Amino acid sequence: DAKTTQPTSMDCAEGRAANLPCNHSTISGNEYVYWYRQIHSQGPQYIIHGLKNNETNEMASLIITEDRKSSTLILPHATLRDTAVYYCIVRVFQGAQKLVFGQGTRLTINP
Amino acid sequence: ETGVTQSPTHLIKTRGQQVTLRCSSQSGHNTVSWYQQALGQGPQFIFQYYREEENGRGNFPPRFSGLQFPNYSSELNVNALELDDSALYLCASSRNTDNEQFFGPGTRLTVL
Repeated sequence: DAKTTQPTSMDCAEGRAANLPCNHSTISGNEYVYWYRQIHSQGPQYIIHGLKNNETNEMASLIITEDRKSSTLILPHATLRDTAVYYCIVRVFQGAQKLVFGQGTRLTINP
Repeated sequence: ETGVTQSPTHLIKTRGQQVTLRCSSQSGHNTVSWYQQALGQGPQFIFQYYREEENGRGNFPPRFSGLQFPNYSSELNVNALELDDSALYLCASSRNTDNEQFFGPGTRLTVL
């Protein structure tokens, strides 16, 4: 079972920052938070991951709360091409380092 | 650097048949994971291969099996196909078992 909770859908205006929340209240101390996105019928695309510090790369920023029970993915200047399903994943360490996907958030960027 | 590739892109089979799906991992990656994604759902983990050995398995029956070759490419085999096996099958490779996974475009399997 997925260990994360995300809103089903969100809308954002083009050019604005998109902030996608995720709750992972049962996360363990050594489990990472990963974000992927999936554009219709394509393979999921890796965005970013973190353990407890905030992370930033060329695609996005990841803000993890101090208690690690929630996080926010930030797309600083959303474009129409950012319309996708965004998955917040807690990477479980049980044998294989598998990704347990939930339902994700369907983000729609509006012109 | 070539990314993860999968073949075929689409496939149509009938119930009871067998199917083999193929995946070429990204250069420098020794780990391959397979996922099944039913329509409208998130991907579900099938199994993972690391250096030619199965390294973990999800909640899938034994008729789902796999192989990894010395060049780290991989196959997913499904026997006795059922209608519910219709899905997008995704392959992901990673540099090692605990590194980020990079996905291929998937194979769309339809079972009639």
